[in-house]
Amino acid sequence: GAVVSQHPSRVICKSGTSVKIECRSLDFQATTMFWYRQFPKQSLMLMATSNEGSKATYEQGVEKDKFLINHASLTLSTLTVTSAHPEDSSFYICSARQPSGGADEQFFGPGTRLTVL
Amino acid sequence: SQQGEEDPQALSIQEGENATMNCSYKTSINNLQWYRQNSGRGLVHLILIRSNEREKHSGRLRVTLDTSKKSSSLLITASRAADTASYFCATDNTGTASKLTFGTGTRLQVTL
Repeated sequence: GAVVSQHPSRVICKSGTSVKIECRSLDFQATTMFWYRQFPKQSLMLMATSNEGSKATYEQGVEKDKFLINHASLTLSTLTVTSAHPEDSSFYICSARQPSGGADEQFFGPGTRLTVL
Repeated sequence: SQQGEEDPQALSIQEGENATMNCSYKTSINNLQWYRQNSGRGLVHLILIRSNEREKHSGRLRVTLDTSKKSSSLLITASRAADTASYFCATDNTGTASKLTFGTGTRLQVTL
């Protein structure tokens, strides 16, 4: 199946700093990528839809100025958590959609664990 | 919230037994997908069932879909210790441009 990578896999930062997370589709072109957040023992919550060459679409309640998304190429989307605070500590997962005729599948990256001290 | 519900929240069985997880959702869908997540890891896609399908098989997995009841079930037969993970259903809801809405998840523990 298609492979999606994320970097870094784990990051620890101080409160007030910004952190950039990369999501790459390794063997296919992804016009659409999705960013999710997952708190411990909870489900995934969609944060935003990242479209190549255009602005991201954010879900209700997600601050677009805090979570900056850039989808500059067909294989790369980045999520930048600006001025991170401890409550931003979470597991961030991206996915890339690979259209396949009928129904689409999403392929998920391995996730990035962010800890803000 | 549009999030689906899964039950049970947690399930503990012995190796060799079958495990059944149920998912209910709230809106009309294009398809429903099941994913597996090992602790602290990303998601692995297991199976996708379209809204016009009622049952699908993949190896030891069997998925059913009842759109009239807005529910789906995932059956894992002859479970193995390696099946221990969290399982999530996710719906591709009609009119949402392929965004996935995840269920609350079932944590499966398979013991030897």
